Amino acid sequence: AQSVTQPDIHITVSEGASLELRCNYSYGATPYLFWYVQSPGQGLQLLLKYFSGDTLVQGIKGFEAEFKRSQSSFNLRKPSVHWSDAAEYFCAVGVNYGGSQGNLIFGKGTKLSVKP
Amino acid sequence: EPEVTQTPSHQVTQMGQEVILRCVPISNHLYFYWYRQILGQKVEFLVSFYNNEISEKSEIFDDQFSVERPDGSNFTLKIRSTKLEDSAMYFCASSAQWRAEQFFGPGTRLTVL
Repeated sequence: AQSVTQPDIHITVSEGASLELRCNYSYGATPYLFWYVQSPGQGLQLLLKYFSGDTLVQGIKGFEAEFKRSQSSFNLRKPSVHWSDAAEYFCAVGVNYGGSQGNLIFGKGTKLSVKP
Repeated sequence: EPEVTQTPSHQVTQMGQEVILRCVPISNHLYFYWYRQILGQKVEFLVSFYNNEISEKSEIFDDQFSVERPDGSNFTLKIRSTKLEDSAMYFCASSAQWRAEQFFGPGTRLTVL
């Protein structure tokens, strides 16, 4: 069955430090991969997505992610974290069966805290 | 910038009562979704809706759930007889195309007492 694993429940980094949030997926075909961010009281905002092509994708707010098929991973990175990046981050895979309208399977999320 | 809106932001209900959660998707979108997130757990897919009918539903979406697009703007999720385990955050999402980015609303927190 398809699944998404985010092994880190909570990460704390210092402002200005680099960040990497891990995501591993289990899916038989070529996945559609997404990273969403949720700030308190807000909905899920798309940071970036991978459908095909270049395996390094750029997103909003200075985030990027790299699709590694051999490792079934889609890790999210940012070179320098800002205090406003404190939020919860969700990795998701788009399921694509014949007739499916592309529902998303989410990981459990990683909460990011940023130290001043 | 267009956004998905949901009302109410928080709903408290007694077990066995019916609730209707409302969503206004982005106006030119064609695909609509409901997801839920039980506290501390994953966001889970409930149902997708296209062309005025359910496209796909998960195992969670049993007979007590229903969805409707009563007019050109609203998309509702009805839970007929709520259970304690229905307490969760419910997210509505919409997308313009199949496999395209899904835009999520801020969610409705449902508390069943």
